[in-house]
Amino acid sequence: GAVVSQHPSRVICKSGTSVKIECRSLDFQATTMFWYRQFPKQSLMLMATSNEGSKATYEQGVEKDKFLINHASLTLSTLTVTSAHPEDSSFYICSAPDRTAATNEKLFFGSGTQLSVL
Amino acid sequence: RKEVEQDPGPFNVPEGATVAFNCTYSNSASQSFFWYRQDCRKEPKLLMSVYSSGNEDGRFTAQLNRASQYISLLIRDSKLSDSATYLCAVRSSASKIIFGSGTRLSIRP
Repeated sequence: GAVVSQHPSRVICKSGTSVKIECRSLDFQATTMFWYRQFPKQSLMLMATSNEGSKATYEQGVEKDKFLINHASLTLSTLTVTSAHPEDSSFYICSAPDRTAATNEKLFFGSGTQLSVL
Repeated sequence: RKEVEQDPGPFNVPEGATVAFNCTYSNSASQSFFWYRQDCRKEPKLLMSVYSSGNEDGRFTAQLNRASQYISLLIRDSKLSDSATYLCAVRSSASKIIFGSGTRLSIRP
């Protein structure tokens, strides 16, 4: 089945640095990628939707200048957390919809990135 | 009001018990519905899609009630390995998939 490869799986960084997370679709073309964030014991919160070749759509309350999303090709979407602070520490996960099913889209998830900002 | 509401639990039930989760959604134009299972610090795994006619996969049964705007998941004869967080998910008309807050389930021996 389709696979989304996400890396790194874990990042520990100092406050003020920027962190880039990559998600690659393997064996299929992902024209759309959803980026989620999950704090401990909470659910997945949609941050933004990236679309290949166009600007990402951000959810209300998500700073687009803080979380830079690039979807330059049909197989790669990146999320860059700029000037990370401890409150950005979270589990970030990407997912791409399976568009082969006409009426019932499923999501293929990356394995997630645990970001810890010191 | 949240777009998708889910009882956070936790549910702590003995092995062999039957347990049910419910989830409500606010957008009547929502088109697709799912149940996911998530183990700690892992990606969610699709458990099953939910159809209006209801669907069953072994010990798991999912139901959709469009009139009342809720979906449910029933787990029969629960196993220790069923311990996880269960997330409902709804695809809105805008093509986004929104998750519920998740329900934690612990099965005790």
